[in-house]
Amino acid sequence: KAGVTQTPRYLIKTRGQQVTLSCSPISGHRSVSWYQQTPGQGLQFLFEYFSETQRNKGNFPGRFSGRQFSNSRSEMNVSTLELGDSALYLCASSLAGLAFNSPLHFGNGTRLTVT
Amino acid sequence: DQQVKQNSPSLSVQEGRISILNCDYTNSMFDYFLWYKKYPAEGPTFLISISSIKDKNEDGRFTVFLNKSAKHLSLHIVPSQPGDSAVYFCATPGGSQGNLIFGKGTKLSVKP
Repeated sequence: KAGVTQTPRYLIKTRGQQVTLSCSPISGHRSVSWYQQTPGQGLQFLFEYFSETQRNKGNFPGRFSGRQFSNSRSEMNVSTLELGDSALYLCASSLAGLAFNSPLHFGNGTRLTVT
Repeated sequence: DQQVKQNSPSLSVQEGRISILNCDYTNSMFDYFLWYKKYPAEGPTFLISISSIKDKNEDGRFTVFLNKSAKHLSLHIVPSQPGDSAVYFCATPGGSQGNLIFGKGTKLSVKP
């Protein structure tokens, strides 16, 4: 069974630009979550989607948005990029979500560098 | 205040011996725990989980033990192999938004 696939693996953008990251979950998984990983802050939760609806949201500004499609694939968008947005962005899929004791399976992430 | 604590930043074990990784938590309401392994430049890999209705869960070489009265869980790897060398994180869906919160990790080195 294929794992969680994130594209692209690496991105370099300049301040003020916007970026879209893509995530394909494990087949059959309906929950997709996004996390930001930085050396200083560790893993921080962005949001979770389930059946095309945002189910949970972390404490990030509105510049960070996401969506999920009917095939469970998800995209994350960051607008007006700032230097502090440089991070590893991890997508995780789950059969039903943590609320149902269903573990998260992570992709290898997209490394975003903002210059 | 950190809600999931891994107090040992590193652990070194000889190949073939047992590795024991520990994790403490602060909130007795937490009822589901997971262990992840992480290699550099990769995302965390799910290893094993346990819910609070059990005190032990086993999957191959990996066993997780949960001591609810002590608010402590541990991951046992037997026998340890060099390929197990990685950073291990315990996690629980204890975040205020229902998200996973992670410990700071323990770096395991298994020496041949």
